[in-house]
Amino acid sequence: QKEVEQDPGPLSVPEGAIVSLNCTYSNSAFQYFMWYRQYSRKGPELLMYTYSSGNKEDGRFTAQVDKSSKYISLFIRDSQPSDSATYLCAMSSYSGAGSYQLTFGKGTKLSVIP
Amino acid sequence: EPEVTQTPSHQVTQMGQEVILRCVPISNHLYFYWYRQILGQKVEFLVSFYNNEISEKSEIFDDQFSVERPDGSNFTLKIRSTKLEDSAMYFCASSELVDSPQAFFGQGTRLTVV
Repeated sequence: QKEVEQDPGPLSVPEGAIVSLNCTYSNSAFQYFMWYRQYSRKGPELLMYTYSSGNKEDGRFTAQVDKSSKYISLFIRDSQPSDSATYLCAMSSYSGAGSYQLTFGKGTKLSVIP
Repeated sequence: EPEVTQTPSHQVTQMGQEVILRCVPISNHLYFYWYRQILGQKVEFLVSFYNNEISEKSEIFDDQFSVERPDGSNFTLKIRSTKLEDSAMYFCASSELVDSPQAFFGQGTRLTVV
């Protein structure tokens, strides 16, 4: 069973649309949830980080975590062509060894059409 | 804004050769990581490093891999005898705090083994 599942898309939306990106996971030990944005052939850029269940908002972005369902979401309001990228969910738990090993989803490729 | 920098951006090497990938983490960060992303696949954890020693490593990080922090700024990944399947994007990441899973990634080094 894969630890983190993410629909790879591609997802194409018109400019101004609300985008919903989702991941499911199987490991109950995951405590920290992140969303990264990755442009083609670039490194992942941290967008949002949440620790507990609930919502966290940052500008046009809202991250939502439902630990009971093992389901996380990223919503993008008023989407812009510059939002076109691959969005990666990532999760981790504290291993006790002092570091946080991130487990990534495969990424959803988003295109926002002007 | 501080960032993780990686060199070179692209490295082509012959199978069996040794390569060293270099990273300069963000200056006040304490934890350092290497991840890799084979084309079309997930970003995968390789190793974490803290206080001049490996904290965790994945199954991928076998005896042909090693990491080092040779001075106060650089963090390197060495692959002793490259194989074709080592071809991937290699990302260095760093995080600031012991209790923070937020990792900031570099732009990556594209390694091509021929």
